[in-house]
Amino acid sequence: AQSVTQLDSQVPVFEEAPVELRCNYSSSVSVYLFWYVQYPNQGLQLLLKYLSGSTLVESINGFEAEFNKSQTSFHLRKPSVHISDTAEYFCAVSDRSSNTGKLIFGQGTTLQVKP
Amino acid sequence: DGGITQSPKYLFRKEGQNVTLSCEQNLNHDAMYWYRQDPGQGLRLIYYSQIVNDFQKGDIAEGYSVSREKKESFPLTVTSAQKNPTAFYLCASTLEGSSYNEQFFGPGTRLTVL
Repeated sequence: AQSVTQLDSQVPVFEEAPVELRCNYSSSVSVYLFWYVQYPNQGLQLLLKYLSGSTLVESINGFEAEFNKSQTSFHLRKPSVHISDTAEYFCAVSDRSSNTGKLIFGQGTTLQVKP
Repeated sequence: DGGITQSPKYLFRKEGQNVTLSCEQNLNHDAMYWYRQDPGQGLRLIYYSQIVNDFQKGDIAEGYSVSREKKESFPLTVTSAQKNPTAFYLCASTLEGSSYNEQFFGPGTRLTVL
């Protein structure tokens, strides 16, 4: 079984400051890792994912996440946030050997960017 | 435009009533999923289906039912047996149900029990 823990429920930060949203997972099997973003009253959108290869993955809007196997973490970072980044962010994992496509989500972290 | 639609956006229900939430996709995806979202709890899987006329229970299936008669449609019924149905419900789909594929989400239905 897998579980995902997002260590911060809310992260307030000022515009143009750096931010890190933390994600740790527990799993007895190899996993794929995902970050999704949810803007208010909307569905989720994929931000980035780690499947294999380089442990540092990037999104088109400046976010990056690094897979750390020894620490079972997949923290999300952005060097300079914008007001428009205000949203809820979900970390998720899936079992590499599964053919169901099931995702296990963390509790979510609300990023509040202040002017 | 390809995507997932959910209706209605807001739904109010009296206690003891069954309600059905609609989910339609035109992405030609094989697998579809229903999640429930509650504040501070993330998303929890209710039911999923990988092929027409077949579906499996997720982690919190009690009090819910689904059908998959067409590839494009995966409606969710919230029955009167669901003790605490007030929540935000999200439908998602993915191409093959492979674990590396991105899930695409609909805009959600907010259900409130009066």
